[in-house]
Amino acid sequence: GIQVEQSPPDLILQEGANSTLRCNFSDSVNNLQWFHQNPWGQLINLFYIPSGTKQNGRLSATTVATERYSLLYISSSQTTDSGVYFCAVEDNAGNMLTFGGGTRLMVKP
Amino acid sequence: GAGVSQTPSNKVTEKGKYVELRCDPISGHTALYWYRQSLGQGPEFLIYFQGTGAADDSGLPNDRFFAVRPEGSVSTLKIQRTERGDSAVYLCASSLTPTTEAFFGQGTRLTVV
Repeated sequence: GIQVEQSPPDLILQEGANSTLRCNFSDSVNNLQWFHQNPWGQLINLFYIPSGTKQNGRLSATTVATERYSLLYISSSQTTDSGVYFCAVEDNAGNMLTFGGGTRLMVKP
Repeated sequence: GAGVSQTPSNKVTEKGKYVELRCDPISGHTALYWYRQSLGQGPEFLIYFQGTGAADDSGLPNDRFFAVRPEGSVSTLKIQRTERGDSAVYLCASSLTPTTEAFFGQGTRLTVV
C-alpha cells in the first residue's frame, strides 16, 4: 500500500513563530487532506488539497502531486495551534485514507 | 445532522464481552468509513461502506470485528469476545462520495479491562 511520511515528528515553537510541516507519499493520489487533532481527539479538517495551493487565515497548504509531497504552513503561531497535525492520502487503488504518523506541535506562550 | 456523530463517547468493557459502537454520518453522505487509532499513532483503516454494502473490509484485524450499515445511513461496528488489545479510539468518517473530502466524528474511546 501507499506509504505516508510526515516530518518533523515533533515541533516546539514560541508563540508568533512560523513553521512548515511536510508530508511525503509514495504513489500518486486522488485525495490529500490535512487535519488538526485537538487535545480532545477531534480530527478537524484543515485542507482538502490533492493538488495546488490553498489558504485559510494563518494556514496555507501546497501539494505538488507530481513530486509526491505536500506542505502545511502555519504563520504567527498561537497556543491554540498546539496538537497533532495529520496528513492523509487516498491512492488510486482504494477509497480509504492512509494517514501519516503526524507532527506533534507545541506552541509555547 | 450537522456533523458525524458517534456513540458512546466512552465505553469500558470486560475482556470477553461483546460491544457495539454506533456512527451516524452526515446526512446525504454515501460513503462511510471506520478507523482505529492507538495512542501516539495515526488512524488506521478498518472498513469502508458505499451505500449499504461493505466495499472494502481489508482493514478488519480478524473475524471478531464486523460492521453493518443496513439502510445506507447509520453504521454499527461490532466487536465480539473483546481483548485488551482492542482498546483504542474508534473513529467514523463520512464523505459525500468516494474520493471527496472526508469528515470525522469525535470517536469512541474503548477500554477493555
